[in-house]
Amino acid sequence: KAGVTQTPRYLIKTRGQQVTLSCSPISGHRSVSWYQQTPGQGLQFLFEYFSETQRNKGNFPGRFSGRQFSNSRSEMNVSTLELGDSALYLCASSLVGTGKSYNEQFFGPGTRLTVL
Amino acid sequence: QKEVEQDPGPLSVPEGAIVSLNCTYSNSAFQYFMWYRQYSRKGPELLMYTYSSGNKEDGRFTAQVDKSSKYISLFIRDSQPSDSATYLCAMSRETGGGADGLTFGKGTHLIIQP
Repeated sequence: KAGVTQTPRYLIKTRGQQVTLSCSPISGHRSVSWYQQTPGQGLQFLFEYFSETQRNKGNFPGRFSGRQFSNSRSEMNVSTLELGDSALYLCASSLVGTGKSYNEQFFGPGTRLTVL
Repeated sequence: QKEVEQDPGPLSVPEGAIVSLNCTYSNSAFQYFMWYRQYSRKGPELLMYTYSSGNKEDGRFTAQVDKSSKYISLFIRDSQPSDSATYLCAMSRETGGGADGLTFGKGTHLIIQP
């Protein structure tokens, strides 16, 4: 079974631009979560989508948004990029409601975004 | 104060040593406790999870959770150079993070010297 894939793997943008990142979850997984990883703050939860609905959002400004499509693929968008948005953006997928004792989150390799 | 505190290291030990990694947390609502391993240029991969308090062993790895002290640990026995990575503790109220996602420590960079 293929793992979580993220595209592109690397991006370089300039301040003020916007960017869209893509995530394809493991087949059959309907929950997709996004995280931002920086050396200063570590891994921080951005938002989670299930069945095309955003169920929760972390403490990030409105410039960060996302969506999920009917095939569970997800995109996140960052508008008006700032230098501090430089980070590794990780996507994770999981099964929901399986009745198992634990539903693991499987992470993709991430997209490395550099804002100049 | 962050919800989850973890010493970033680096922690350098000789091959074969026992490694102890720890996290403290403040949110008593956390019920699931995980340890992830992250190699350079890769996404985190789940090593172990524990529900509520107690110990769990898997090969050379042992996870301990003490909810009364809000303290979790990961022990690695007979450490190998291939164990060199960043180890992240993570916690959640719901299984797999649920709608709230996972709350992570900053990660401890571990180096096993051959």
